[in-house]
Amino acid sequence: GENVEQHPSTLSVQEGDSAVIKCTYSDSASNYFPWYKQELGKRPQLIIDIRSNVGEKKDQRIAVTLNKTAKHFSLHITETQPEDSAVYFCAAGRGGGNKLTFGTGTQLKVEL
Amino acid sequence: GAVVSQHPSWVICKSGTSVKIECRSLDFQATTMFWYRQFPKQSLMLMATSNEGSKATYEQGVEKDKFLINHASLTLSTLTVTSAHPEDSSFYICGKELAGEGNEQFFGPGTRLTVL
Repeated sequence: GENVEQHPSTLSVQEGDSAVIKCTYSDSASNYFPWYKQELGKRPQLIIDIRSNVGEKKDQRIAVTLNKTAKHFSLHITETQPEDSAVYFCAAGRGGGNKLTFGTGTQLKVEL
Repeated sequence: GAVVSQHPSWVICKSGTSVKIECRSLDFQATTMFWYRQFPKQSLMLMATSNEGSKATYEQGVEKDKFLINHASLTLSTLTVTSAHPEDSSFYICGKELAGEGNEQFFGPGTRLTVL
């Protein structure tokens, strides 16, 4: 089955700096790679996703890149703000009713 | 995004009792729903995939006789934790895939279960 690894487990940045979180996956058949943000005690919220036919996707301060050959994908947050502080999870899956496999999560802390 | 509701939002029960958690798709029918469990400071772990009108598919290591899943309609899936024990205390989250858009999965607000 799919195995997703995520690094780092914790990340502290100064407000305004960029943050990068990286994930690798093992199943070459995975074609869907979402990123979720989870605040304490709340549900994970989809913030951005990418499909295997695209190498990069951007939405305002958030971007995701995908390298299918190396089987890794990354989340980039620019101009970080305190409200970006949360746990971020990457995931990988085949879609079409198939399950998602989640990474272990990254605790991002944006300091003033 | 898609709307998924979950009830109850939290529950405290005594060891040995059973607890039912409901997951509803409010805006469109969901043939497939997913049930996850999340322990504190850990990731979401898929427990089972719930398919309307058929038996759920459980992940390895998840006891199907302990975690009963029923997906009787296209808008409702239920998870029953039978004979709950303190080690079952966790955050249970259901999710559904947004049909037609290709794979986007949205989650319910979660149920915090505490077994005394």
